[in-house]
Amino acid sequence: AQSVTQLGSHVSVSEGALVLLRCNYSSSVPPYLFWYVQYPNQGLQLLLKYTSAATLVKGINGFEAEFKKSETSFHLTKPSAHMSDAAEYFCAVSDYGGATNKLIFGTGTLLAVQP
Amino acid sequence: EAGVAQSPRYKIIEKRQSVAFWCNPISGHATLYWYQQILGQGPKLLIQFQNNGVVDDSQLPKDRFSAERLKGVDSTLKIQPAKLEDSAVYLCASSPPGTGNTEAFFGQGTRLTVV
Repeated sequence: AQSVTQLGSHVSVSEGALVLLRCNYSSSVPPYLFWYVQYPNQGLQLLLKYTSAATLVKGINGFEAEFKKSETSFHLTKPSAHMSDAAEYFCAVSDYGGATNKLIFGTGTLLAVQP
Repeated sequence: EAGVAQSPRYKIIEKRQSVAFWCNPISGHATLYWYQQILGQGPKLLIQFQNNGVVDDSQLPKDRFSAERLKGVDSTLKIQPAKLEDSAVYLCASSPPGTGNTEAFFGQGTRLTVV
């Protein structure tokens, strides 16, 4: 069965500092991986996705993630945090090859950005 | 392009009452998902439809939850009777035809509070 683990339920950074949100996956087949962001009282919005093309994936709002098979990781980064980045971030793996294509989410990381 | 529409946005009910949520997916999206997001957790898939057929309802508590997607477009999710532990945000999502690399587009969710 596929799963994702997000290390750190809360991360706090200063404005302008590097953002690093960690995600490790478990999958017996090549995974499709996603990062979603959720602002308060909103649904989830896709930041970026990895679909077995380039291992470095660029997303919206200056975020990017690198797929590292050897480390089974798909960490999300942003060089310089902005106050508007404060939100909850979810890593997800797709049930690739299954009939459902359902997304399996991690428990989320709440990002706080300090002025 | 209009997004996934959900209503109501908020609902407060007493335990043992019934409640229904409505979702209208993005036009042309054959796949529709209902996710349950309990506070502090990642979304968990309750049921997935492909057109008007159920693809996956393995995590739907069928003794109290039901869902339908008549005509393969909009969908309703019902809880009867509600329990305190059903307090959560119920997210509807839809996706176009694909095989795992296609992201899901989420609505804003319905926040249910059971008292």
